[in-house]
Amino acid sequence: GAVVSQHPSWVICKSGTSVKIECRSLDFQATTMFWYRQFPKQSLMLMATSNEGSKATYEQGVEKDKFLINHASLTLSTLTVTSAHPEDSSFYICSAAKDGSTNEKLFFGSGTQLSVL
Amino acid sequence: AQTVTQSQPEMSVQEAETVTLSCTYDTSESNYYLFWYKQPPSRQMILVIRQEAYKQQNATENRFSVNFQKAAKSFSLKISDSQLGDTAMYFCAFMNGKLIFGQGTELSVKP
Repeated sequence: GAVVSQHPSWVICKSGTSVKIECRSLDFQATTMFWYRQFPKQSLMLMATSNEGSKATYEQGVEKDKFLINHASLTLSTLTVTSAHPEDSSFYICSAAKDGSTNEKLFFGSGTQLSVL
Repeated sequence: AQTVTQSQPEMSVQEAETVTLSCTYDTSESNYYLFWYKQPPSRQMILVIRQEAYKQQNATENRFSVNFQKAAKSFSLKISDSQLGDTAMYFCAFMNGKLIFGQGTELSVKP
């Protein structure tokens, strides 16, 4: 159990377009989900905390208007990269906290590689 | 703000030997969780081991164990009987409401 599905696995888009990434908890409810960004050979940088039914909490330096997060249900959070540019190219990973307890272990999606041309 | 520091960017170990990865963290919180995650080339994050700060006993998972020194804010990972499949990036992480990662240590297990 405790599977997190993330789609798409990779996406290539043109500069200026928007891209939506989905993160689904398949067999549990996730009140809280987290979105991370990872550059090659670097660590995972927390972008934002997504809470079901409320606005996401963004980390300092992350543009909320560029990285739109929607957590409309207990099993789905989406990250939309708006007006993507080449510098947005990165590996994006979501994770979900089971049972609404953020101090339990997190379950990670398999990540999305975004390449902006 | 909490910070997590891994001072070893790269480590290597011979197959079947033991290696220790270092991690220190900084926090003013008294209750938190610490983790080691493994990220192989597939980039899927895999939980290796988990430690609750209120527990003095060091966590152990088969060949993986930690040395948790709360006063020193140190949380090292020991891998015994290293296997080729242990080759990966290893991230130390701190959690109190949100999960913060260290910079990572790239471990290579050599045959």
